[in-house]
Amino acid sequence: KQEVTQIPAALSVPEGENLVLNCSFTDSAIYNLQWFRQDPGKGLTSLLLIQSSQREQTSGRLNASLDKSSGRSTLYIAASQPGDSATYLCSPLGAGNMLTFGGGTRLMVKP
Amino acid sequence: KAGVTQTPRYLIKTRGQQVTLSCSPISGHRSVSWYQQTPGQGLQFLFEYFSETQRNKGNFPGRFSGRQFSNSRSEMNVSTLELGDSALYLCASSPRLAGSQKFYNEQFFGPGTRLTVL
Repeated sequence: KQEVTQIPAALSVPEGENLVLNCSFTDSAIYNLQWFRQDPGKGLTSLLLIQSSQREQTSGRLNASLDKSSGRSTLYIAASQPGDSATYLCSPLGAGNMLTFGGGTRLMVKP
Repeated sequence: KAGVTQTPRYLIKTRGQQVTLSCSPISGHRSVSWYQQTPGQGLQFLFEYFSETQRNKGNFPGRFSGRQFSNSRSEMNVSTLELGDSALYLCASSPRLAGSQKFYNEQFFGPGTRLTVL
């Protein structure tokens, strides 16, 4: 059974800092891994998708890496802004088109 | 291209009642998955429908059921509601590509239905 852990659970930083959010998963038999953002009470917004054969994916100020063999992914956020405040979730896609979620990282960026 | 839509957005029910939630996927997507999100358990997979058939099911009681129509729209039903069923119910739409394309299956979520059971 896939298990996902995200560290840290919460993070509060001043605006402008570069951030690192960590994700680990136990089953490396995945098709891809998605990073999502969730604002309070809202649905999930897809930020990045990394295929299992890829090592890295970039979108604007976001960069995600994937090491499938060690079961780790990292999301880098450059030059953080108050608008980046949200919960960030990583989720590997396994058999049955099923996503597994960890507890997420709750990010607060202070002006 | 329109995103994933879910109706209703909010529901208040009492224990013992039943409820039906609806999800319309992105045009061209044939897979709809449902997830339950609670503060205590986080996001948990309920089930997936593809081509009008349930393909995968999470660890939830039989009170949770669903179906998918020929236009890929999906409904989820919860019977005999319990207080613990209060949650945000999210649906995800994906193309469910097969073969060498399956690594590109990206999931897109709707805004969710907030269910409160009193």
